[in-house]
Amino acid sequence: GAVVSQHPSWVICKSGTSVKIECRSLDFQATTMFWYRQFPKQSLMLMATSNEGSKATYEQGVEKDKFLINHASLTLSTLTVTSAHPEDSSFYICSARDQSRPPYGYEQYFGPGTRLTVT
Amino acid sequence: AQTVTQSQPEMSVQEAETVTLSCTYDTSESDYYLFWYKQPPSRQMILVIRQEAYKQQNATENRFSVNFQKAAKSFSLKISDSQLGDAAMYFCAAGGTSYGKLTFGQGTILTVHP
Repeated sequence: GAVVSQHPSWVICKSGTSVKIECRSLDFQATTMFWYRQFPKQSLMLMATSNEGSKATYEQGVEKDKFLINHASLTLSTLTVTSAHPEDSSFYICSARDQSRPPYGYEQYFGPGTRLTVT
Repeated sequence: AQTVTQSQPEMSVQEAETVTLSCTYDTSESDYYLFWYKQPPSRQMILVIRQEAYKQQNATENRFSVNFQKAAKSFSLKISDSQLGDAAMYFCAAGGTSYGKLTFGQGTILTVHP
């Protein structure tokens, strides 16, 4: 149980274009999902908290106009990187909370990540 | 607010030996959980073990156990009978009631030598 998928697993896009990453909770409903960014051999950096049916909450320093988050259903959140540039190349990871089972939302279940390369 | 500190950027262990990864944390939450996650080369985050802060008993999961010292705000992970498959980056994390956010430590790269 508590499986989270991400699509695509790897994407290459040209500078100036936009790319969308999907995060799905496959066997539970997730009112809250999280988006992280990770550079090689570094920790996960929380970008934003995605809440179903409402606006995402962005961490300080994260450009909300560049990283658009939509959480339109209880099983799907999307991250769109707009006008991507080479410095946006990174590994993006989503996670989701399952508040229906122990430990009732304290734990996050992670997707496998998406490697974004902007050329 | 929460902070999590892992002071060991890299650790190594011989196969079948025991290794301990350190983690200290600070939190203003009265109710919180602590976690150890493993990130192998595939980069999939895998939960290793979790500890409820209100429980005094240290959590164990097969070869993995924690030493939770609440007063000292310390949460170390002990891996017994280390296996080659244990090689990964390990993250300590704290999660409270504040919107369910997790705060991660810097990570420790564990190498297992055959």
